[in-house]
Amino acid sequence: DTGVSQDPRHKITKRGQNVTFRCDPISEHNRLYWYRQTLGQGPEFLTYFQNEAQLEKSRLLSDRFSAERPKGSFSTLEIQRTEQGDSAMYLCASSLGVSSPLHFGNGTRLTVT
Amino acid sequence: ELKVEQNPLFLSMQEGKNYTIYCNYSTTSDRLYWYRQDPGKSLESLFVLLSNGAVKQEGRLMASLDTKARLSTLHITAAVHDLSATYFCAVDDKIIFGKGTRLHILP
Repeated sequence: DTGVSQDPRHKITKRGQNVTFRCDPISEHNRLYWYRQTLGQGPEFLTYFQNEAQLEKSRLLSDRFSAERPKGSFSTLEIQRTEQGDSAMYLCASSLGVSSPLHFGNGTRLTVT
Repeated sequence: ELKVEQNPLFLSMQEGKNYTIYCNYSTTSDRLYWYRQDPGKSLESLFVLLSNGAVKQEGRLMASLDTKARLSTLHITAAVHDLSATYFCAVDDKIIFGKGTRLHILP
């Protein structure tokens, strides 16, 4: 169990640029979740996958956000045309399945200037 | 839309005291999770409660679930400084989080 790995740890980008984050879950975990967290707030649900299938995407997310998990292993989260309001910590978590606890990565901190 | 509410949002308490954090949620769910987050760190799983009446205990923390009332509690017994952290409850398949309860235990 090497844990959930996220890359990069930090990303600074200029407004209007596209960014992509990667998450490698724990190897046998078939569920993968993406959250966004700002200071003093709880994690905000973005989307989740069961293997390669995206089960749901938050209605709060604009079309600028997209996520994939092409082979049911690692996942990517892309933000197009970044805005300053996108600045946050982006957390990835994985679990063995329904009713199993989430294991979180250390997150990717995005700063949009 | 599922809403998860925690109270209090901030709690400062003395070591040795007991206290309870409450988590209410708005739609039917028989799965509830408690997590802990230390400043600058990611989240750590504490408990998974999977049925009405479920109770789990680990050290000075005890969590319970009442699915009919849509309520979970996290009880802290004889608090110690090391328990200072933010505690989150979360519900449902999507695992929707509350805003968290920031717990500060004074020595």
